[in-house]
Amino acid sequence: DQQVKQNSPSLSVQEGRISILNCDYTNSMFDYFLWYKKYPAEGPTFLISISSIKDKNEDGRFTVFLNKSAKHLSLHIVPSQPGDSAVYFCAAGMDDKIIFGKGTRLHILP
Amino acid sequence: DAGVIQSPRHEVTEMGQEVTLRCKPISGHNSLFWYRQTMMRGLELLIYFNNNVPIDDSGMPEDRFSAKMPNASFSTLKIQPSEPRDSAVYFCASSSGGPAYEQYFGPGTRLTVT
Repeated sequence: DQQVKQNSPSLSVQEGRISILNCDYTNSMFDYFLWYKKYPAEGPTFLISISSIKDKNEDGRFTVFLNKSAKHLSLHIVPSQPGDSAVYFCAAGMDDKIIFGKGTRLHILP
Repeated sequence: DAGVIQSPRHEVTEMGQEVTLRCKPISGHNSLFWYRQTMMRGLELLIYFNNNVPIDDSGMPEDRFSAKMPNASFSTLKIQPSEPRDSAVYFCASSSGGPAYEQYFGPGTRLTVT
């Protein structure tokens, strides 16, 4: 039973446009959320995080939005660049527990 | 900084054999994590150590899997006996805090059990 769901296995976006990656979770006790990015044959790298006391966190081109009532978070990338083509994992956790989604593969089209 | 180091990068073994995966975390990090990535299940946390002590091993799939952290600079994940369904990419990660903090992942070990 998946507690963290990324329902879109893949997403294609034109270069320069906004990429929006979505993530849903089922456990309202989760109090921290993170996004990681993964290139082929490499380990994931941390992108951005947000705690449950906030609804938005921004870092350069990356913004994470948290909607606690909907148990939904999203990652916005603006503008999208070719180097953003990768697999994106969202993760949610509480205390010492962390659960990752299965990932969404983002393709940035020229 | 060399980052998290994992060895071997690739391992091919026959069913029933023992497999040992190794990890050297980033110096100064006090938390270490072992993950398994498969197409079906995505990225799963297997075990989390803090200050060399296992904190959460609820993700370890069964008794065939064991992990140790004898000191702050070394950890192993052992599978004995290995089975074809253990085929996956295994990642080690370290951080200066718990799972809520930024984790630095190694390049992974691709394990194939035939």
